[in-house]
Amino acid sequence: EPEVTQTPSHQVTQMGQEVILRCVPISNHLYFYWYRQILGQKVEFLVSFYNNEISEKSEIFDDQFSVERPDGSNFTLKIRSTKLEDSAMYFCASSERGQGLNTFGSGTRLTIV
Amino acid sequence: AQSVTQPDIHITVSEGASLELRCNYSYGATPYLFWYVQSPGQGLQLLLKYFSGDTLVQGIKGFEAEFKRSQSSFNLRKPSVHWSDAAEYFCAVVRNTNAGKSTFGDGTTLTVKP
Repeated sequence: EPEVTQTPSHQVTQMGQEVILRCVPISNHLYFYWYRQILGQKVEFLVSFYNNEISEKSEIFDDQFSVERPDGSNFTLKIRSTKLEDSAMYFCASSERGQGLNTFGSGTRLTIV
Repeated sequence: AQSVTQPDIHITVSEGASLELRCNYSYGATPYLFWYVQSPGQGLQLLLKYFSGDTLVQGIKGFEAEFKRSQSSFNLRKPSVHWSDAAEYFCAVVRNTNAGKSTFGDGTTLTVKP
């Protein structure tokens, strides 16, 4: 069964540094998402991306964050000047038509120290 | 805006007992509905989904859920719980529009007593 692949599975970054989280969505999917889950809390929507542009973003997704689809297969989330409170599990997801099932990756656990 | 409520933060059941986890949603139309399970430090595993049709849906690991439009609910059930079912359970909704994002409930932690 097709999967969404995320790398790395764990990332430790010093506060103030930039970090890039990578995702390879399912190949025929057209809609891409990033979600965040702070430890012990629920999964929160960050941003959706379609046709090479952001289609929706939450209030969490401020100027510190950016997304990119640098080629035909990767989808990245960049966090500039990381803060301690950015520590969380970040999930990438993709959807074939933007309706219905978001297929989630296994997540990247980001720890800011 | 859509929202999801899981009224029970923590539920404890005995192994072999039945289970029902509650989920209520708020949305103008019928959304797509999902249940996920998450073990500590792990990713999200899809248990089951409802798009349309039969309101009782079967999922993996012996779980089922029933969509009740009149109550805006999508409760998850299992007739006999196993110790390995102990985990966090999340209900989620997706708008049936383009770029439909997932909105999650706060989750219910299930503890299984021997």
